[in-house]
Amino acid sequence: QVQLQESGPGLAKPSETLSLTCTVSGGSVSSVSYYWSWIRQPPGKGLEWIGYISYTGSTNYNPSLKSRVTMSVDTSKKQFSLKLNSVTAADTAVYYCAGAYCSRTSCYIGYWGQGTLVTVSS
Amino acid sequence: QSALTQPASVSGSPGQSITISCAGTSSDVGAYNYVSWYQQHPGKAPNLLIYDVSKRPSGVSNRFSGSKSGNTASLTISGLQAEDEADYYCNSYTSSSTWVFGGGTKLTVL
Repeated sequence: QVQLQESGPGLAKPSETLSLTCTVSGGSVSSVSYYWSWIRQPPGKGLEWIGYISYTGSTNYNPSLKSRVTMSVDTSKKQFSLKLNSVTAADTAVYYCAGAYCSRTSCYIGYWGQGTLVTVSS
Repeated sequence: QSALTQPASVSGSPGQSITISCAGTSSDVGAYNYVSWYQQHPGKAPNLLIYDVSKRPSGVSNRFSGSKSGNTASLTISGLQAEDEADYYCNSYTSSSTWVFGGGTKLTVL
């Protein structure tokens, strides 16, 4: 069973960069069928998909965040990471890392980390 | 990409059935049979209930079922129980190879 765990600072300053890492256990980051994703949820609001990275490093980002997002993967450490720059208070949210499985006949976000709250404040 | 459209809230009494709709476009819900549904209790991560429109992961009660017609997907919960009170989100893979969520629906069990 794939398990995911987010780590990183719980506080980021306005205009700076938010950085989070997700560690994968119980499965391989190098699987061709998995797309390692980040999803966020502002307090009291709904879920927003941020983007994904594959084990090869190919990425796809939410168009609304694309200009500020960078994702990377380290297969040797079984980790993938998120950087979101020029943050504002609107980026305050619980950030989830997740694993999406996609094949020719199936595609879904099936595995979720527990989430980590990142607050943007000076 | 625009969020999928869900009702903000639904309610039902124990034992009843309710249905939550999820309206999208021909570029997301209507493009593939890759619609998922998640249940989220307060302070918890979302939990996968339905994937690929109507499939249930192992361990999910058969009281939960999913369907799709055109650009609209639906989640039906039968035999409502108190523990079903939660937020529910739909999600769809899109023709741009991205994912999009619905705005969420709060289910109240009366």
